[in-house]
Amino acid sequence: DAGVTQSPTHLIKTRGQQVTLRCSPKSGHDTVSWYQQALGQGPQFIFQYYEEEERQRGNFPDRFSGHQYPNYSSELNVNALLLGDSALYLCASSLRVQGNGHEQYFGPGTRLTVT
Amino acid sequence: AQSVTQPDIHITVSEGASLELRCNYSYGATPYLFWYVQSPGQGLQLLLKYFSGDTLVQGIKGFEAEFKRSQSSFNLRKPSVHWSDAAEYFCAVARDSGAGSYQLTFGKGTKLSVIP
Repeated sequence: DAGVTQSPTHLIKTRGQQVTLRCSPKSGHDTVSWYQQALGQGPQFIFQYYEEEERQRGNFPDRFSGHQYPNYSSELNVNALLLGDSALYLCASSLRVQGNGHEQYFGPGTRLTVT
Repeated sequence: AQSVTQPDIHITVSEGASLELRCNYSYGATPYLFWYVQSPGQGLQLLLKYFSGDTLVQGIKGFEAEFKRSQSSFNLRKPSVHWSDAAEYFCAVARDSGAGSYQLTFGKGTKLSVIP
């Protein structure tokens, strides 16, 4: 049973550029959440996707956007990158349909460095 | 607003010694509580969770945690630490955003170092 997978593992971008990160949820899961973890901090909730729609959003600007596909995989897009966007981006999946939305399983993350 | 506090930024213990990592939460309703572990450069692995019922929950790798509503705490314990337990530990609370949607709020983490 494959767990949550994310790509790429590492990414280096320049200020002002745009980036797309990808996530495939654990088999059988229907909900994907994205978190940003800055160095030395706990993860912070960015947003959550279910049925291809953004359902919840944390305190992040509109430069952060996402998408969910019919196969439940998801993308996180960040526009106009800032140095402060450098972080580990974590994807978590869960099964909302059966009321288990609180039990989230995390992928290994994508390390984004903005120079 | 919900919040999670992990008072200890860094803890060092000797291998074989007991361990307790502290976690306090602020949340209006009955919380769903979690402990995750993160090895350097890795994602988060779920150690254990509390939803309801027995306030002492058992997790993987020999860890346990006790939910104390009166103290708003969910402390993580292990009777005998192994060198491989060195990692960062995060306590989290899940907030019900409605219609089965939850978002996790994490503490800032406690880094555990183990002396051989």
